[in-house]
Amino acid sequence: AQKITQTQPGMFVQEKEAVTLDCTYDTSDPSYGLFWYKQPSSGEMIFLIYQGSYDQQNATEGRYSLNFQKARKSANLVISASQLGDSAMYFCAMRDVNTNAGKSTFGDGTTLTVKP
Amino acid sequence: DVKVTQSSRYLVKRTGEKVFLECVQDMDHENMFWYRQDPGLGLRLIYFSYDVKMKEKGDIPEGYSVSREKKERFSLILESASTNQTSMYLCASSRASYNEQYFGPGTRLTVT
Repeated sequence: AQKITQTQPGMFVQEKEAVTLDCTYDTSDPSYGLFWYKQPSSGEMIFLIYQGSYDQQNATEGRYSLNFQKARKSANLVISASQLGDSAMYFCAMRDVNTNAGKSTFGDGTTLTVKP
Repeated sequence: DVKVTQSSRYLVKRTGEKVFLECVQDMDHENMFWYRQDPGLGLRLIYFSYDVKMKEKGDIPEGYSVSREKKERFSLILESASTNQTSMYLCASSRASYNEQYFGPGTRLTVT
């Protein structure tokens, strides 16, 4: 069965600094995708970044990068140069390609607060 | 840009009422999903659909049903609303089973 673990319920970071949000996963499917989503206080979930299990390089999207360590089954999100608007809840998620009919499993989330 | 819309941002219903939550996506996505989100319980999948008229139960389907008559529209139905169905309901869509999901703004449902 799929499982996503986010061990940091809350994180604080100073504006303009970098922050790493942890995510570990477990699956028996060799083909899977890993995703990070942001949920501001308004409630809408926003897709940030994707990493495929066979991708050789870590994914990057602007200030977001995914530190993918396959052997450790970790997919940490790195946000560089934090901004006040980055304050939100962040969810790690995964989807198995071959099993679970494409269902996603989400972690419990990490609340990030950016301090001015 | 992908757009997923939900019929209401806030909804208040009485116990026993039949409730319809509508979701529409404009990107011709195959997959559509309904989640509920509760504090301390995270996102839980209620139902999903990978094609028109097809549906699959998620983790917590009890008390809910769904309908997908057209590709762009996925409806969640609470046959007889109960207070324990007070929650935030999120609809999402994705192009294929391994792609990212795009979410609607959510419907905060209160059942009194």
